[in-house]
Amino acid sequence: GQSLEQPSEVTAVEGAIVQINCTYQTSGFYGLSWYQQHDGGAPTFLSYNALDGLEETGRFSSFLSRSDSYGYLLLQELQMKDSASYFCAVYTGGFKTIFGAGTRLFVKA
Amino acid sequence: NAGVTQTPKFQVLKTGQSMTLQCAQDMNHEYMSWYRQDPGMGLRLIHYSVGAGITDQGEVPNGYNVSRSTTEDFPLRLLSAAPSQTSVYFCASFGPRDRGDYGYTFGSGTRLTVV
Repeated sequence: GQSLEQPSEVTAVEGAIVQINCTYQTSGFYGLSWYQQHDGGAPTFLSYNALDGLEETGRFSSFLSRSDSYGYLLLQELQMKDSASYFCAVYTGGFKTIFGAGTRLFVKA
Repeated sequence: NAGVTQTPKFQVLKTGQSMTLQCAQDMNHEYMSWYRQDPGMGLRLIHYSVGAGITDQGEVPNGYNVSRSTTEDFPLRLLSAAPSQTSVYFCASFGPRDRGDYGYTFGSGTRLTVV
């Protein structure tokens, strides 16, 4: 079967750095993306990695290693507003994307 | 630029009732999809469309119908509501974004309760 594994919860302190990991087992792979979802809100796009390496967008960075079927989202200079759920998603081709179950990030003062 | 607009935001149905969730996008994306989100299960694909007149089933299509008569609109119909369809429903389109990468743009969601 196809699966994406990510931790269910992560807690970090305001101003710190946190890394959310995602490992995947899918029949096809075209890219790994990350989405943020605040409680009661809709998922919003953060990043997309099609090739190995690190992509940086402001305080957020995303990494991909296709050989390890692994990626992570790195959040720097954490702010209280970063408390949310974060989903990794793999585009498997054939117009299909599989989403992970999500990681709930709690940022403490 | 409104993105993806979903209506209604909240709905309560009785078992056996039918309804249509509306979705419209103004980004001229060919690909649109419907997901349901349940606690601890992430987002699961119900149906998707790769263009007007073309639809296909996703992971959990039973009990739902879709049609795509225009690029902009992609309604989801619940044929005979069941309590198992209590969920949050998101419509999404997929296409190019500002920085040249590709990703989903989601609507604000419909919180559906079937009693």
